[in-house]
Amino acid sequence: EAGVAQSPRYKIIEKRQSVAFWCNPISGHATLYWYQQILGQGPKLLIQFQNNGVVDDSQLPKDRFSAERLKGVDSTLKIQPAKLEDSAVYLCASSFSSEQYFGPGTRLTVT
Amino acid sequence: KNQVEQSPQSLIILEGKNCTLQCNYTVSPFSNLRWYKQDTGRGPVSLTIMTFSENTKSNGRYTATLDADTKQSSLHITASQLSDSASYICVVILKTSYDKVIFGPGTSLSVIP
Repeated sequence: EAGVAQSPRYKIIEKRQSVAFWCNPISGHATLYWYQQILGQGPKLLIQFQNNGVVDDSQLPKDRFSAERLKGVDSTLKIQPAKLEDSAVYLCASSFSSEQYFGPGTRLTVT
Repeated sequence: KNQVEQSPQSLIILEGKNCTLQCNYTVSPFSNLRWYKQDTGRGPVSLTIMTFSENTKSNGRYTATLDADTKQSSLHITASQLSDSASYICVVILKTSYDKVIFGPGTSLSVIP
């Protein structure tokens, strides 16, 4: 069974630029999550999708972050414009019942 | 406020020794509790999932306990190996219309030879 795929694995941008991350969940998983993990901290939920609908985006900085999940499969997370404090690892996870499976993450560095 | 706390923040142990990591939560309504292992540069991987009625669950050298009355969980690692060096994250799931996930900050474990 293929795992959760994410790309790119690494990205370096300057502040005020925009960036997009892509996630392909495990086939058949209805729930998809985007997390932000700052070095030395646990993951923080940014947005949670159930199929292609949003069930929780309470911690998503909506003035600069956006996410979509077209057709209830792949998802993209966008940051525009980026700030220095956005430097982190962005993790995507998917689940079918109660088990979450995580992708390898995208490490973003904003300079 | 729904919160998950973990202790210690970091831990260094000698290879072959045992250790216990702690997790306290103030989450309601509770659905289940999970322990994840996160190696450096990788996504978290599930070690155990425990529901309200389960007190103990083992996965090889990892044994998790849950006391739903005191809202405490522990992860015991037996006969540690160098490959156990990682961050261990306690996660609590709320019982709502959807699975609301609350992550703890993690405990960084270093196993040294």
